[in-house]
Amino acid sequence: NAGVTQTPKFQVLKTGQSMTLQCAQDMNHEYMSWYRQDPGMGLRLIHYSVGAGITDQGEVPNGYNVSRSTTEDFPLRLLSAAPSQTSVYFCASSTRTSGYNEQFFGPGTRLTVL
Amino acid sequence: AQSVSQHNHHVILSEAASLELGCNYSYGGTVNLFWYVQYPGQHLQLLLKYFSGDPLVKGIKGFEAEFIKSKFSFNLRKPSVQWSDTAEYFCAVTPTYKAAGNKLTFGGGTRVLVKP
Repeated sequence: NAGVTQTPKFQVLKTGQSMTLQCAQDMNHEYMSWYRQDPGMGLRLIHYSVGAGITDQGEVPNGYNVSRSTTEDFPLRLLSAAPSQTSVYFCASSTRTSGYNEQFFGPGTRLTVL
Repeated sequence: AQSVSQHNHHVILSEAASLELGCNYSYGGTVNLFWYVQYPGQHLQLLLKYFSGDPLVKGIKGFEAEFIKSKFSFNLRKPSVQWSDTAEYFCAVTPTYKAAGNKLTFGGGTRVLVKP
């Protein structure tokens, strides 16, 4: 199993450009989520999905869109990048049985918006 | 909404010293508690977790944490650190009610530097 994979690892954008951060998992996990990590602020939840076709907003959703057409993939789209979106982005996945299950994190995408 | 505070932003210590990292959370109901570690250049890994039962939980690599409900705390400890423990450590919580799903709320993190 590859676990949770993310592409690209690094990306530099200009203000106003759009891009999609890719996330895939091969563990058949129902639950997937996107976090951003900023210095001194830990990780903050952007969007999450409890299954294919179902998504919802997290703590900091503005400026980001998501969709979940398959169980395996959960892309994060920036429609018009802003310098405030400079961050490290982590995707995570877990099973969704009763109670809590451990989340597995991807290696991250470091995004810089100029 | 819940929140998590980690009081130490940076900790520097020598090998063989003991480590204790503080974590306090704010939430009116019951929570599940976690400590994650991020080694330089790597993704987050789960160190340990508390769901219920014995409030003293043991994790990987010799780490342990104690849940003190009355203090809303979940402090991380290691009796003797090694240079390889240099990393950033994150405390996280999630409410236990089912609708909360698996949404984690993280603290700001503590960077630990262990000098050889």
